[in-house]
Amino acid sequence: KNEVEQSPQNLTAQEGEFITINCSYSVGISALHWLQQHPGGGIVSLFMLSSGKKKHGRLIATINIQEKHSSLHITASHPRDSAVYICAVRFRPSIQGAQKLVFGQGTRLTINP
Amino acid sequence: GAGVSQSPRYKVTKRGQDVTLRCDPISSHATLYWYQQALGQGPEFLTYFNYEAQPDKSGLPSDRFSAERPEGSISTLTIQRTEQRDSAMYRCASSMGLAGTDTQYFGPGTRLTVL
Repeated sequence: KNEVEQSPQNLTAQEGEFITINCSYSVGISALHWLQQHPGGGIVSLFMLSSGKKKHGRLIATINIQEKHSSLHITASHPRDSAVYICAVRFRPSIQGAQKLVFGQGTRLTINP
Repeated sequence: GAGVSQSPRYKVTKRGQDVTLRCDPISSHATLYWYQQALGQGPEFLTYFNYEAQPDKSGLPSDRFSAERPEGSISTLTIQRTEQRDSAMYRCASSMGLAGTDTQYFGPGTRLTVL
C-alpha cells in the first residue's frame, strides 16, 4: 500500500470549473509538497506546507495535520492548468529519514475549453 | 546556472551496459536528490547528498546503482549491467538548505531506455 494516496487518479473538467485534488498519508509528516508535472515532463514545485493554508494566484493548498489530509484547489480552471499534480510528503525524522520525500502516484488533470 | 540541468536528456542502451547520468544542481544549493520515475507513476526516492556526504541511499534498488557527488556540486548516477526494468525517467533535484525543509527544484530528467 502506498504511504501517500491521491484521488482522483484522473480528472477531466470544463474550463472555469473549481477543481479539488486530494492527498492522504499514513503517518506523521513534517511537510507536504504539491508539485506540477507539465505535459513536457518538467516538474515544478507549487507549494510546501506543514499547516494551514497557502494561496498562490488561482491555486490554494490546505492541510489538516490531524486528519492526515491535504487538498489542492484550482479556481476558475483553464486548459493551461492541464498537467499531472503530485503530492509528496516528508515524514517526521523519528519515522523515516528526514530528507526523503515520498510521492503519491499523481492526478492527471485535463481541462477542456 | 539558472536551474538544475541533467545530461543526457535521453539515453538508449543495451541490456548489460553501464550508464552514467549527470546532474548539475543550482550552484548555491547544498542538497541534491536523485529520483526514479516510472511511466505513469510518481517519482521514487533513490538517494540524496548534503554537499559530498550521502546520508541516505536507502532507495537505490540494488548494488548496481551508485551515486557520487565528490566535490559537493555536480553529481553522477551510475547504473551497472543495466536491465530492462531500469528503463525510467531519472530526475535530479536540488534545494538550498541542509535540513530538507526547502523547496526542491527539479531538473528536466534523463529518460533511460534499456533494450
